Amino acid sequence: EAAVTQSPRSKVAVTGGKVTLSCHQTNNHDYMYWYRQDTGHGLRLIHYSYVADSTEKGDIPDGYKASRPSQENFSLILELASLSQTAVYFCATYRGSGNTLYFGEGSRLIVV
Amino acid sequence: GEKVEQHESTLSVREGDSAVINCTYTDTASSYFPWYKQEAGKSLHFVIDIRSNVDRKQSQRLIVLLDKKAKRFSLHITATQPEDSAIYFCAASLDTNAYKVIFGKGTHLHVLP
Repeated sequence: EAAVTQSPRSKVAVTGGKVTLSCHQTNNHDYMYWYRQDTGHGLRLIHYSYVADSTEKGDIPDGYKASRPSQENFSLILELASLSQTAVYFCATYRGSGNTLYFGEGSRLIVV
Repeated sequence: GEKVEQHESTLSVREGDSAVINCTYTDTASSYFPWYKQEAGKSLHFVIDIRSNVDRKQSQRLIVLLDKKAKRFSLHITATQPEDSAIYFCAASLDTNAYKVIFGKGTHLHVLP
């Protein structure tokens, strides 16, 4: 049973449109993250959260917003999608203190 | 902030040989170094880690070495098998700020028959 589930798994969006990627966890972990994966760049941290109703900027937050309405749910919002945001997005959870990150299956976003 | 450099973007080895993937980091305060594996078309999953209080850790065919002076760590996969073919990511984090895990760019390992 998947502990970190992402939706949608795949999406094609138009430039300038709004995109919301959702993540749900059953790990009961405090920390949740959004990473994007691009060829040649590895994984880069966009936003993260360590408690409900609070989010923090990661290394590449520009053009993205995040929302953590509950411990289980963490969303990534692209208000005005751009071509450069075409990527695979991974949600992850983390218990903290040097433990393992648990990743979702990924969401492939194509902006046209 | 911390930067993690993964030196090999692609690595090809013959089945049964060993593979070595090298990473360096910049922040001397980093103390936790995990490795993740991503098989084709799939998500990432944890494979092995090492903390700064040791310089070697082994889990079956996986060995991680840590050289704190050189700020370098490496993953050794012995007796490689076809199922080892994947992208491997090294990462680093601070124990005190363990929420922030910084990844390298990944090494695509090909195990050739």
